[in-house]
Amino acid sequence: KNEVEQSPQNLTAQEGEFITINCSYSVGISALHWLQQHPGGGIVSLFMLSSGKKKHGRLIATINIQEKHSSLHITASHPRDSAVYICAAHFQGAQKLVFGQGTRLTINP
Amino acid sequence: SQTIHQWPATLVQPVGSPLSLECTVEGTSNPNLYWYRQAAGRGLQLLFYSVGIGQISSEVPQNLSASRPQDRQFILSSKKLLLSDSGFYLCAGERDTEAFFGQGTRLTVV
Repeated sequence: KNEVEQSPQNLTAQEGEFITINCSYSVGISALHWLQQHPGGGIVSLFMLSSGKKKHGRLIATINIQEKHSSLHITASHPRDSAVYICAAHFQGAQKLVFGQGTRLTINP
Repeated sequence: SQTIHQWPATLVQPVGSPLSLECTVEGTSNPNLYWYRQAAGRGLQLLFYSVGIGQISSEVPQNLSASRPQDRQFILSSKKLLLSDSGFYLCAGERDTEAFFGQGTRLTVV
């Protein structure tokens, strides 16, 4: 079964802390996406990964294909990073994108 | 780049009324298209996906239906809304493993 699990479900941290959000998936994928959803609901695509690591500003995404695991890191976190972060996987041989449940991140000043 | 236009952004409808949400795609052709729903405090649940014109797969039994009359047009409909249909509805697309998203529609059924 094609499944995506995220942890933690909720995360609260102080401004400046290093943040890690985890995503595990059940079987082989062709691509994994990290998305950001702000309180208004709109979704922004942050990264698309099939291997290795990507960096954009303070955001870093990594993926370990053998362990079927991806992480999203935020360095020097800021209150404006507060949002729901979602990973979504396109499983090999499947025709649909499967979303994780999301991680609600709150950064306090 | 690929974009999805989804409208309206918010909608308040009475119980029993019909629904039509539409999304259109720009910047690519023959994408896979998806309708997701997010109930309050929950994750995104796949409702329908389409790999081409007239091809619709339903993931969960429900009060809703979907249609794809054109390659870049995906419509979510209901003949009679229920209170439980309230939520955030998101149209998404995928082409060559690139994913793109509409801004979503927040539907409140009253």
